[in-house]
Amino acid sequence: NAGVTQTPKFRILKIGQSMTLQCAQDMNHNYMYWYRQDPGMGLKLIYYSVGAGITDKGEVPNGYNVSRSTTEDFPLRLELAAPSQTSVYFCASSYRGGPVGELFFGEGSRLTVL
Amino acid sequence: SQKIEQNSEALNIQEGKTATLTCNYTNYSPAYLQWYRQDPGRGPVFLLLIRENEKEKRKERLKVTFDTTLKQSLFHITASQPADSATYLCALDTERAGSYQLTFGKGTKLSVIP
Repeated sequence: NAGVTQTPKFRILKIGQSMTLQCAQDMNHNYMYWYRQDPGMGLKLIYYSVGAGITDKGEVPNGYNVSRSTTEDFPLRLELAAPSQTSVYFCASSYRGGPVGELFFGEGSRLTVL
Repeated sequence: SQKIEQNSEALNIQEGKTATLTCNYTNYSPAYLQWYRQDPGRGPVFLLLIRENEKEKRKERLKVTFDTTLKQSLFHITASQPADSATYLCALDTERAGSYQLTFGKGTKLSVIP
């Protein structure tokens, strides 16, 4: 099993460009999450999903959108990129959601907006 | 306001000693408390989970305690080794707006000196 796979690993964007960060998991987990990690700031929850077709906002959703058309995939869309979105993005999944329990993380996508 | 505080940003200890990391929180009522390890450039990896009705949990050289009265968790690594050098993250599994989410502390960077 590959676990949680994120692409791309690195990306540089210009201000105002858009892009999609891809996330796929092969563990048949219903629950999936997007976090961003800034230096010295810890992981902040952007969006999460409790199953295909169901998504909800986390702590810092502004400037992002998500969709969940299948159990396996949970892409994160950045519209009109801004320098404040420079960060490392982590996708994660869990097999339960109430409480969450163990999270399985991808290796991260490092995004720089110039 | 809600806060999660990990005792220090960095902790240096001598090889063979016990490392003790602290996680304090305010204005949360977590169902679970979790600890993760993160190596540079990698995603966090789950280590241990302790429930609100448990006082202590052990796994090999790791031990976690959870005091819901003090609102504190202690994470111990006994007989520490240079390979234990990493950033350790505390996370609270709490209900927010009808769903459970993991909220992370900023982490403590542990360096084990040979």
